[in-house]
Amino acid sequence: DTGVSQNPRHKITKRGQNVTFRCDPISEHNRLYWYRQTLGQGPEFLTYFQNEAQLEKSRLLSDRFSAERPKGSFSTLEIQRTEQGDSAMYLCASSRRDRAYEQYFGPGTRLTVT
Amino acid sequence: TQLLEQSPQFLSIQEGENLTVYCNSSSVFSSLQWYRQEPGEGPVLLVTVVTGGEVKKLKRLTFQFGDARKDSSLHITAAQTGDTGLYLCAGSPTSSGTYKYIFGTGTRLKVLA
Repeated sequence: DTGVSQNPRHKITKRGQNVTFRCDPISEHNRLYWYRQTLGQGPEFLTYFQNEAQLEKSRLLSDRFSAERPKGSFSTLEIQRTEQGDSAMYLCASSRRDRAYEQYFGPGTRLTVT
Repeated sequence: TQLLEQSPQFLSIQEGENLTVYCNSSSVFSSLQWYRQEPGEGPVLLVTVVTGGEVKKLKRLTFQFGDARKDSSLHITAAQTGDTGLYLCAGSPTSSGTYKYIFGTGTRLKVLA
């Protein structure tokens, strides 16, 4: 068990550019979550997958954001036309179906939009 | 609307002191989790409490779930500098009917040597 991994760990981009982040969950976990965390705040829920199905999206996930989990394993989060307000830590977590609320987090991707 | 309020927001104490952190809500939760997060890293799961009134111990950390499953507390005995970090409670309200998972506002603890 290598834990949840995320790539890249840091991303600096110019406003208006597109960025994509990747999350590899713990192998036997079928649930995968994306969160956004800004300085001094707790993580905010963005979206949730069970296997390859995206079952819920937060209102925080504007139409510039899209997430996929095509084969029920790794997931990607894409932000199009980035804005300075998108600067944050993007966290991925995974959990087992029978212990869904015990989430194991990756180290996060720190996005800075200049 | 923030469903999980944590207090205090900040806490700075000397090594060896005891402390309690609170997590309160007006909503009922089927379970609550506590996490600790260090700067630049993701939260790390500490414990899950499920039953109202449940008490769980993890070395010097004691977690309690309120009888009505609306609140929880974390007590640290004889704090050490390694306990420094952001403590977060989290859960999914039973009334939400969704998979949405809510985190508390967090308590930032600093333990001084």
